Amino acid sequence: DAGVIQSPRHEVTEMGQEVTLRCKPISGHDYLFWYRQTMMRGLELLIYFNNNVPIDDSGMPEDRFSAKMPNASFSTLKIQPSEPRDSAVYFCASSLWLTEVDTQYFGPGTRLTVL
Amino acid sequence: GESVGLHLPTLSVQEGDNSIINCAYSNSASDYFIWYKQESGKGPQFIIDIRSNMDKRQGQRVTVLLNKTVKHLSLQIAATQPGDSAVYFCAESSLGSWGKLQFGAGTQVVVTP
Repeated sequence: DAGVIQSPRHEVTEMGQEVTLRCKPISGHDYLFWYRQTMMRGLELLIYFNNNVPIDDSGMPEDRFSAKMPNASFSTLKIQPSEPRDSAVYFCASSLWLTEVDTQYFGPGTRLTVL
Repeated sequence: GESVGLHLPTLSVQEGDNSIINCAYSNSASDYFIWYKQESGKGPQFIIDIRSNMDKRQGQRVTVLLNKTVKHLSLQIAATQPGDSAVYFCAESSLGSWGKLQFGAGTQVVVTP
């Protein structure tokens, strides 16, 4: 299995630009999660989906952030407009089902730098 | 969970020795706990998990201990190897909030020859 795939691996952009991060979950997994990791705040859950439907987006920092999952094999996290404080590593994770066994498998992450 | 700060706690271990990484959690309703390992430039990797109805679980070279009385979790790594050098995170979730994993700040483990 290829695991969770994220693209791009690195993104450098200027303040005010739109940024789109992409994720392909593990085939057959029906939960998908977006996280942000910074030194100051650690790993934070932004939003998660079940069967392509957003379940909890309470971690999304503000309206500049949006996430979609148009089908079971693809999700995007968009930031518009981007700001320097959005610089972080963004991880996508997926899991087979959400029961007591909450094993989430993480992708390699996208390192975002907003200048 | 652990407080978040600019500097991760660091555990320096000699190759071949056993490592013990600790984690304190604050939510008494948490009933599922996971340890993740994160190597530089990679995403967190699942190591081992434990449910609240257990106090010990063993894997390959790793053991997780759970003390619900004092809300403490530990990860023991036997015969630590250079490949064990990484940041280790504990994560917790609770009934009704599965999926909303709360991660600790992490511990940096450095294995010295």
